[in-house]
Amino acid sequence: ETGVTQSPTHLIKTRGQQVTLRCSSQSGHNTVSWYQQALGQGPQFIFQYYREEENGRGNFPPRFSGLQFPNYSSELNVNALELDDSALYLCASSLDLYTIGYTFGSGTRLTVV
Amino acid sequence: GNSVTQMEGPVTLSEEAFLTINCTYTATGYPSLFWYVQYPGEGLQLLLKATKADDKGSNKGFEATYRKETTSFHLEKGSVQVSDSAVYFCALIGSSYKLIFGSGTRLLVRP
Repeated sequence: ETGVTQSPTHLIKTRGQQVTLRCSSQSGHNTVSWYQQALGQGPQFIFQYYREEENGRGNFPPRFSGLQFPNYSSELNVNALELDDSALYLCASSLDLYTIGYTFGSGTRLTVV
Repeated sequence: GNSVTQMEGPVTLSEEAFLTINCTYTATGYPSLFWYVQYPGEGLQLLLKATKADDKGSNKGFEATYRKETTSFHLEKGSVQVSDSAVYFCALIGSSYKLIFGSGTRLLVRP
C-alpha cells in the first residue's frame, strides 16, 4: 500500500508566476486536503476535495485553486505568486470524508523570489 | 471558531527526562484530538489520537488524555530519546472535518 506522494519536492518560482503542485492520494482514499505551512508555523487549511468536488475552503484568496481527478489524485494551483506564498505545501488524504485518519505526504517546498 | 494553543518552544531536555508539551483547545461540540510529529525536512506523521472525552491515545511511549473539563490534550513521555527530537503539533477536527493545528513545539533532546 503506497502512501501519499507529492511532486515536485522543491521548486523555485518568480513573483507573479503560476505554479501547479501535485498529489497522489493513498490507495483507496477519496478525500484530499491541502495545507500551507509557513516556516516555523503550523499548517493552515487551504481546501478539501471529496469525490472531485470542493468540500470546504480556508482563508485563502481565489488565486489558490484546486482539482481532484477521477482517480482521486489532486492538484493545487497558485496564480500570481507572491513572496508570502513561500511555504511547505502539504497534501493529506483520508479514506472518506467522515473517516478522521489523515495520511500526509512529505510536502512540496515552494520558494518565491 | 475552533483553535488550538500549544506551549512555545523550544523545549530542551536531556535524554531519559520526562516530557510534557501542553495543548489546549477551543471548539464547539466534541472534536477529535491529535498529536502529529514532524521530523526535519519531512511531512507530518500521526503520533496519537483521541476521539472522545477521557480517551487516552498512546504510541511509541507517548501518551495524551482528552480532558474535556479543562479542554486540554497534553502530550507526555516518561523517558525521551535523542531520536524524539522533532516538532510536535497538536490538532483537532471538528464538525467541518478539517484539521486545525497549533503552532508547533520544537523538542530538542540532548545525549
